[in-house]
Amino acid sequence: DIILTQSPATLSLSPGKRATLSCRASQSLPNSFAWYQQKPGQPPRLLIYDASSRATGIPARFSGSGSGTDFTLTISSLEPEDFAVYYCQYRTKWPPALTFGGGTKVEIK
Amino acid sequence: QVQLVQSGPEVRKPGASVKVSCKTSGYTFTSHGITWVRQAPGQGLEWMGWISAYNGDTHYAQKVRGRATMSTDTSTNTAYLELRRLRSDDTAIYYCAREAHSGGSTGFDPWGQGTLVTVSS
Repeated sequence: DIILTQSPATLSLSPGKRATLSCRASQSLPNSFAWYQQKPGQPPRLLIYDASSRATGIPARFSGSGSGTDFTLTISSLEPEDFAVYYCQYRTKWPPALTFGGGTKVEIK
Repeated sequence: QVQLVQSGPEVRKPGASVKVSCKTSGYTFTSHGITWVRQAPGQGLEWMGWISAYNGDTHYAQKVRGRATMSTDTSTNTAYLELRRLRSDDTAIYYCAREAHSGGSTGFDPWGQGTLVTVSS
């Protein structure tokens, strides 16, 4: 089974700072990677798909990168609305299956 | 716009069954698969399974295989998740989500608002 390990568990930063979130896979994977943002009381929101493509309506400050076992979500300059929990997700094409990382909470320092 | 609207909260006793609906609108229902994900209180996201809205093919996570059934009704553009033999650790918010792009995309968007299922004696 594929395991996705996100780090750090919590990231404490001030608005305007750069956030770098990591997702490490237990084995080398193709770029079928996505990132989601979840705020309290809301469903997840797709940010990035195919490792580096921004979803519709997602601001340019969000970017995804990586390959193999290491994938990264970068928020170039944190806005107040960016403080939330972020999840990485891998999808096997067929049969369809999803694996989620444990999440990284980005909190205001 | 694309919308997924789920049914309301449910309370069940252990051993009972529950069926959650996910009514979609704003797109061609049969062009995008639907996945179901749950989130226990204060916990992360757990994938439960996927269904093709085109032909009804299903794939379930090992943890719920045999207890969960996913289905669709193309006449009402609605997806369903039924979970049987409920246990206390099935207490969670259940989400449906649509493949963001037709043809098996990596990401899922949008998501339904979630349905809280509480299992308690």
